Amino acid sequence: AIRITQSPSSLSASTGDRVTITCRASQGISSYLAWYQQKPGKAPKLLIYAASTLQSGVPSRFSGSGSGTDFTLTISCLQSEDFATYYCQQYYSYPPTFGPGTKVDIK
Amino acid sequence: QLQLQESGPGLVKPSETLSLTCTVSGGSISSSSYYWGWIRQPPGKGLEWIGSIYYSGSTYYNPSLKSRVTISVDTSKNQFSLKLSSVTAADTAVYYCATSAVAFDYWGQGTLVTVSS
Repeated sequence: AIRITQSPSSLSASTGDRVTITCRASQGISSYLAWYQQKPGKAPKLLIYAASTLQSGVPSRFSGSGSGTDFTLTISCLQSEDFATYYCQQYYSYPPTFGPGTKVDIK
Repeated sequence: QLQLQESGPGLVKPSETLSLTCTVSGGSISSSSYYWGWIRQPPGKGLEWIGSIYYSGSTYYNPSLKSRVTISVDTSKNQFSLKLSSVTAADTAVYYCATSAVAFDYWGQGTLVTVSS
């Protein structure tokens, strides 16, 4: 199975900050990568697929980039509703695998 | 817009079989556009894909769980189901059903299943 790592595992930030989360795959996955946001007690929500395509309805302050093994999720101007845990997931090959998550909390 | 809802027992005894059903609304489970899957999340931990099924019945399972997992689809009820046998405390988790056209686009709200005697 393809292993996915994320960094950092957690970060503290303030409203208005620019935040970047990194995801790395153990082998090349082209652009078959998705990003999810999960708030406590809720199901994950798809933000980005194909590494950089914004899911319908997701604010444009979210963006994704990368291909191959290294990917980033950027939140350009952090809003209060963005404090959550973020997961990346590869769907290049079975089994689809998730990163361990990055928790973004309030500084 | 697709909506998914999990249902099933919240408590299962060790060594027994966990059974959950996902009811799909707002679209047909027979759509060729989607795979239908199960994902779980132990309390305070990350996400683990369990398996997926296509409307035709083709199944894909996580190798780590394959010997214990069965996923099936009932097109007449617009539902798909998960069975996980020989459960232990390690199977305690929130279980989500989800659909994937590309990534996991739509998710159910999740249901907590506790394995305990």
